[in-house]
Amino acid sequence: DAKTTQPPSMDCAEGRAANLPCNHSTISGNEYVYWYRQIHSQGPQYIIHGLKNNETNEMASLIITEDRKSSTLILPHATLRDTAVYYCIVTYDKLIFGTGTRLQVFP
Amino acid sequence: DAGITQSPRHKVTETGTPVTLRCHQTENHRYMYWYRQDPGHGLRLIHYSYGVKDTDKGEVSDGYSVSRSKTEDFLLTLESATSSQTSVYFCAVAGGGSYEQYFGPGTRLTVT
Repeated sequence: DAKTTQPPSMDCAEGRAANLPCNHSTISGNEYVYWYRQIHSQGPQYIIHGLKNNETNEMASLIITEDRKSSTLILPHATLRDTAVYYCIVTYDKLIFGTGTRLQVFP
Repeated sequence: DAGITQSPRHKVTETGTPVTLRCHQTENHRYMYWYRQDPGHGLRLIHYSYGVKDTDKGEVSDGYSVSRSKTEDFLLTLESATSSQTSVYFCAVAGGGSYEQYFGPGTRLTVT
């Protein structure tokens, strides 16, 4: 069973920040938060991961709350190409994909 | 794309026939994985490998076997295909120490 809860869908205007929430209230101390996305019919793509601290890379930022029970993936300037299903995964072992959030970026 | 190829990319086969899907990588990653994806489901792990000849089962391994005789190749075999194995199959690779996996383009398998 997936250990995370994500909204099934979200919309975002092109050029605006997309903030994708994820609840993981049962996260254990040694579990990381990973984010992947899957653009239509392609293989999933790794985005970012973190343990406790906020993380940023060229694709996105990951904000993890102090109690680690939730996190937010931020795409700072969404483009049409960011339209995808985004998966939040909590794990210390294997990746277990839930159904994710379908992000639609509109012009 | 982390140098991952999958073959074939598309296959139609009949119930009861054996099928082998191949995943090939060029970057010497230690870990390799096979997932399946069905409508309405996220990806589900079938089998994985943590080295040559070292494999283990995932959450949906029944009806599937794997082999890894070389670092670069990970084979998934359906000994006797069934219609319930119609799916898109993804291979992934990873180095040690993280679950930063890189996925192949997928194989669409249809069992009639």
